[in-house]
Amino acid sequence: NAGVTQTPKFQVLKTGQSMTLQCAQDMNHNSMYWYRQDPGMGLRLIYYSASEGTTDKGEVPNGYNVSRLNKREFSLRLESAAPSQTSVYFCASSEASRRGNQPQHFGDGTRLSIL
Amino acid sequence: GENVEQHPSTLSVQEGDSAVIKCTYSDSASNYFPWYKQELGKRPQLIIDIRSNVGEKKDQRIAVTLNKTAKHFSLHITETQPEDSAVYFCAASIIGNQFYFGTGTSLTVIP
Repeated sequence: NAGVTQTPKFQVLKTGQSMTLQCAQDMNHNSMYWYRQDPGMGLRLIYYSASEGTTDKGEVPNGYNVSRLNKREFSLRLESAAPSQTSVYFCASSEASRRGNQPQHFGDGTRLSIL
Repeated sequence: GENVEQHPSTLSVQEGDSAVIKCTYSDSASNYFPWYKQELGKRPQLIIDIRSNVGEKKDQRIAVTLNKTAKHFSLHITETQPEDSAVYFCAASIIGNQFYFGTGTSLTVIP
């Protein structure tokens, strides 16, 4: 049981390049999230998907796009990378039931540097 | 949307002492409050959570308290150990909605 798997773990890009960060979960969770983590700023939500087929903007969506490919997979795309997007990116998943939200489970993160 | 504030941003304690981290939230509809621990270079991991119908929850040396009227919740770590050194994040969420995180507290336990 791998939980939440992110690929790649590290990536260096040049300004203007594009790339897709992959995330997959094997816990049958409905909800999936993408965060970026910068020093002193905690975890900021980029996009989330409450269920398969839906996506919504979070706090910092500019410069990013997402795709909820199926229930397991949620990808994050940088169309034209900028140095301000240098960060650690975390994918997470959780279940929401009538009892209330459940804890989020995080992947190991992708450390992305834009030169 | 929800706004979660977390204090202090850094905290140093002597081994064996207690540590307290406080968070406030703005949306009275928030009903689920998890706490995460993140060690350097690692993923955030859940350490304890509390729902709005409960005032306090304990798990060994860790406890969380919730005051719905004042809209604040706190993490208490007793008998701290060096392995408790990490960054701690609080969060708040409404059922079926997104999670809002505090900016984190860097805890250092001095042996």
